[in-house]
Amino acid sequence: AQTVTQSQPEMSVQEAETVTLSCTYDTSENNYYLFWYKQPPSRQMILVIRQEAYKQQNATENRFSVNFQKAAKSFSLKISDSQLGDTAMYFCAFMNDIIQGAQKLVFGQGTRLTINP
Amino acid sequence: DAGITQSPRHKVTETGTPVTLRCHQTENHRYMYWYRQDPGHGLRLIHYSYGVKDTDKGEVSDGYSVSRSKTEDFLLTLESATSSQTSVYFCAISESWDGNQPQHFGDGTRLSIL
Repeated sequence: AQTVTQSQPEMSVQEAETVTLSCTYDTSENNYYLFWYKQPPSRQMILVIRQEAYKQQNATENRFSVNFQKAAKSFSLKISDSQLGDTAMYFCAFMNDIIQGAQKLVFGQGTRLTINP
Repeated sequence: DAGITQSPRHKVTETGTPVTLRCHQTENHRYMYWYRQDPGHGLRLIHYSYGVKDTDKGEVSDGYSVSRSKTEDFLLTLESATSSQTSVYFCAISESWDGNQPQHFGDGTRLSIL
């Protein structure tokens, strides 16, 4: 079974700094998708960024970028120029199983990120 | 924002009582999912639906049942609630199998079983 591991339960940085959240996963598949979701105190689950495994170029969305290392099965999230609104729980998620056409997501345990003023 | 409404937002009930959570979508998406979120576990899939009256089990389905009688509604039922089912429950929807059309989530239901 696929597993997703986030080894940093909590992180804290100062506003405007750059922070990197780690995620590793285990799979024997060659093609799959990886996601980062953000969960602020409001409890919403918000998609931050996604990466398709066969694409070698790292995905970027404004201040958010990933470092995807397929051989190492690593998918880290970098947040540049961090803002107070980035304070949230961040979940890494993996998808390759397609069951009856449905997407099967496996989530990591989450990293609680605090941005300090 | 994806049109997903979960009800109720909060519920407190007693052990042994039946509980039904509702997920309503206005996006006409084919696929719907129920997850539970617990500290240290992230989100785990309970059940999912791939069409009207088509459902299947996820990773943590014991003690839960689901029903989908129309495209827009996906119900999660705890037949006899236990304290171990105290959790935050999320509904999600997706349009297809394609990961480039990822899942979108509702705002969650906080359920406490006393």
